[in-house]
Amino acid sequence: DAGITQSPRHKVTETGTPVTLRCHQTENHRYMYWYRQDPGHGLRLIHYSYGVKDTDKGEVSDGYSVSRSKTEDFLLTLESATSSQTSVYFCAISPGQGKETQYFGPGTRLLVL
Amino acid sequence: GESVGLHLPTLSVQEGDNSIINCAYSNSASDYFIWYKQESGKGPQFIIDIRSNMDKRQGQRVTVLLNKTVKHLSLQIAATQPGDSAVYFCAENLYGQNFVFGPGTRLSVLP
Repeated sequence: DAGITQSPRHKVTETGTPVTLRCHQTENHRYMYWYRQDPGHGLRLIHYSYGVKDTDKGEVSDGYSVSRSKTEDFLLTLESATSSQTSVYFCAISPGQGKETQYFGPGTRLLVL
Repeated sequence: GESVGLHLPTLSVQEGDNSIINCAYSNSASDYFIWYKQESGKGPQFIIDIRSNMDKRQGQRVTVLLNKTVKHLSLQIAATQPGDSAVYFCAENLYGQNFVFGPGTRLSVLP
């Protein structure tokens, strides 16, 4: 998985609790992304980062926040988890935006009860 | 098992046959495309890419064809093997913006 790890790999939580997912890369790539994957949908972008402390929203950013304090780590936080946020979350990295290939991590399966 | 892709279209092929997986992309101005393979419980894996100034690109056992006239992308897999069983999806990119991903097709290889 191109030097990308995600933690935890599986998580079960209750509605209303905060949840933080971590993505760690060893490739020193500038761009990092968080996607969610749901049945019947393609991967949908939640947030992305184009450098340390530089982030921007994707198409499904409501209810999520991110932080990037180091090049290698990109955190996704669900401030107050809802059942609609039950999904598989993937982190991706890329040396550049758009015209560069994105490489994906193994994913985190989140179940919100 | 993996819940993603429960309602995906499925292509079933005999082991050893060639597979053709299709993708209709959304934006006629998209200029960069990628095919990914996703096995159950794993993250998407890069297979091959193509830019809009090309019609065809070949890799190891895979070929991607791009038809800009009808906004169509296809992935051909030669001599399909059991290890090719997975969900395949395309991604399109416009002028260096963020990618748009298709929902995918499940390839099932029959013995």
